[in-house]
Order: sequence, then structure tokens, then C-alpha cells
Amino acid sequence: DARVTQTPRHKVTEMGQEVTMRCQPILGHNTVFWYRQTMMQGLELLAYFRNRAPLDDSGMPKDRFSAEMPDATLATLKIQPSEPRDSAVYFCASGLVQYTSLVRAFFGQGTRLTVV
Amino acid sequence: RKEVEQDPGPFNVPEGATVAFNCTYSNSASQSFFWYRQDCRKEPKLLMSVYSSGNEDGRFTAQLNRASQYISLLIRDSKLSDSATYLCVVIPGSGTYKYIFGTGTRLKVLA
Repeated sequence: DARVTQTPRHKVTEMGQEVTMRCQPILGHNTVFWYRQTMMQGLELLAYFRNRAPLDDSGMPKDRFSAEMPDATLATLKIQPSEPRDSAVYFCASGLVQYTSLVRAFFGQGTRLTVV
Repeated sequence: RKEVEQDPGPFNVPEGATVAFNCTYSNSASQSFFWYRQDCRKEPKLLMSVYSSGNEDGRFTAQLNRASQYISLLIRDSKLSDSATYLCVVIPGSGTYKYIFGTGTRLKVLA
């Protein structure tokens, strides 16, 4: 079964440390999303890429967050420096855009981040 | 006003009941619509796409009302295993592929 793979699954870190989350999208998918989920805010879109190019990162705090796709098999989300309010579950999702339609998006299992 | 809004619930229903959720969206140019299901501490999983003419998948029926800008999900003969959070998703216009999620509606099916 093709799946989106995220690492690490859990991360506990101290405030001020750098955190890097990784995502391997489903092979052949050309669109990758990063979401953050908290109880208060639900699922918030942080950034998304199409064909590895960032299309929209308006949901991401630019001063500390960065998202990249160094190649088609890897997407990264980095927080530097991390703060306690960044504690959340971070999901990566990938999908395939055919013609002008996004067929569907599949989610990874998420990275549960705790910043203490 | 949020782009996509849902009643957070919870909806507590007995097994076998029929339950319906609505989801409203603000952008009239929205193109595509989906329902996702999320179990506690798990990732969202696609339940069904929502087509203009309405569509059915077993006990689940999805409808789109463009005039009033809402989508709905109807679950018939609900099972204990249907207990989850149901998230509606809207792609808000042509030329974009952003998946915008509602905050979700919690459903608890009671024995």
C-alpha cells in the first residue's frame, strides 16, 4: 500500500532548539501539504508545494518556520527556534493534480511535537 | 468569518440512527469538496468526494448545495465504528489546490 511517511512520529524538545520534520510523499504525487493540528485551531494549512515549488506558505510564521522540498521524495518542515506554542501534531499530505483537479490527498501519520 | 465552518458537536446518537452534518463555505468560487474522517490521535482519511449531483457510498450520502454554499453528509444505520470526527474540506477556487479544512464535527454512536 502506498503511503505518506513522516519522521519522527514523536519529538520532545526544549524551547529554543531546532526541530526538523520529514515527509516522504507517495511516489508520483506532485502536490505536498504541511498542516498543523491543535485542539484550539483544528487543521491549519502551513504551506504547500506543487512539483516541488512552494505555492503558498502564507499560513506559516516566517520568522521561525521554513519548508522545503529538496527533491521529489522528501519534504521538510523546520522550526528554529522552537517555542512551547509550537506544540502540536504536524501532518504532511500528498496528492496528485491531474489536469486542473486535485484528485485526493493522503495524509501521513503525523509528527507529535512537544516543546518544553 | 471562517472559510469553512462546521458545528463541532458532539453529536451523540444511538446505534442504527440516521445522522446528518452540514458544512458551510464562504467562497462561492469553491471548486471541489470532500469529507474526511479522523479517529482520535490518527491522521485524517478520505471518506468521500462530494459531487455536484450528490453521491452515495453504502450508508453514506454526500450532497452539495451551491446556492446556499454548504455540503452535507448523511450517515444511515450508524454503527459504533462510525464514532469519529468528520472534517469537511473545500478547495476554494480554480488555480489553487489548497485543502481548507473545517474544524470538524464529533460523532459518538452509543450502544
